[in-house]
Amino acid sequence: EVQLVESGGGLVKPGGSLRLSCELSGFSFNDFSLNWVRQAPGKGLEWVSSSGRVAGYFYYADSVKGRFTLSRDTASDSLFLQMNDLRVDDSALYFCARGHRYYDNYFDYWGRGTLVTVSS
Amino acid sequence: DIQMTQSPSSVSASVGDTVSITCRASQGIDSWLGWYQQKPGKAPQLLIYAASLLQTGVPSRFRGSGFGTDFTLTISDLQPEDFATYYCQQGKNSPTFGHGTKVEVK
Repeated sequence: EVQLVESGGGLVKPGGSLRLSCELSGFSFNDFSLNWVRQAPGKGLEWVSSSGRVAGYFYYADSVKGRFTLSRDTASDSLFLQMNDLRVDDSALYFCARGHRYYDNYFDYWGRGTLVTVSS
Repeated sequence: DIQMTQSPSSVSASVGDTVSITCRASQGIDSWLGWYQQKPGKAPQLLIYAASLLQTGVPSRFRGSGFGTDFTLTISDLQPEDFATYYCQQGKNSPTFGHGTKVEVK
């Protein structure tokens, strides 16, 4: 069974840092793109970052470029999002999502999300 | 970035109705369009990809159409479990979503 489980969210002050984790199971890390999508409370969906099928290729939304860093560990089947210099408008539920088998930019499996709150 | 504009923002309907939601891209995206359903407190679920292809396990009452800049999601014979918020998403380049359409009980 395909599963994605996020962790690492919490309350942090503006300018602070958090590291989100996404633990994968039920599929091979190297066969799919992996993505973070966020949703502010009561708002819509915003794509944040992607890890391509080929190791070392990472992509970021302009809103987080230079502040967020994606990495992956195949040994632990985990994806990580290091978030630095956090802002109030980064507050959201962060979902980890798998890219579609044939089309990387559609997301066919999602985790339940981990909540990030940036507030003083 | 490619902007996605959905309409309406909400629609009231009854079980058995047919509902149509439209999505317009700020520039041509060929068939690079997906549709998602999201229920309160849950993650989104992929319904349609490549504008008209039905994701595995999704009922055939969901139909996607369109090409270029204008797309439509049609839900036929609306069922109680279909009351939710629907998002379009372009996949031509860095993904962007529409603002959502809430399908509510009339």
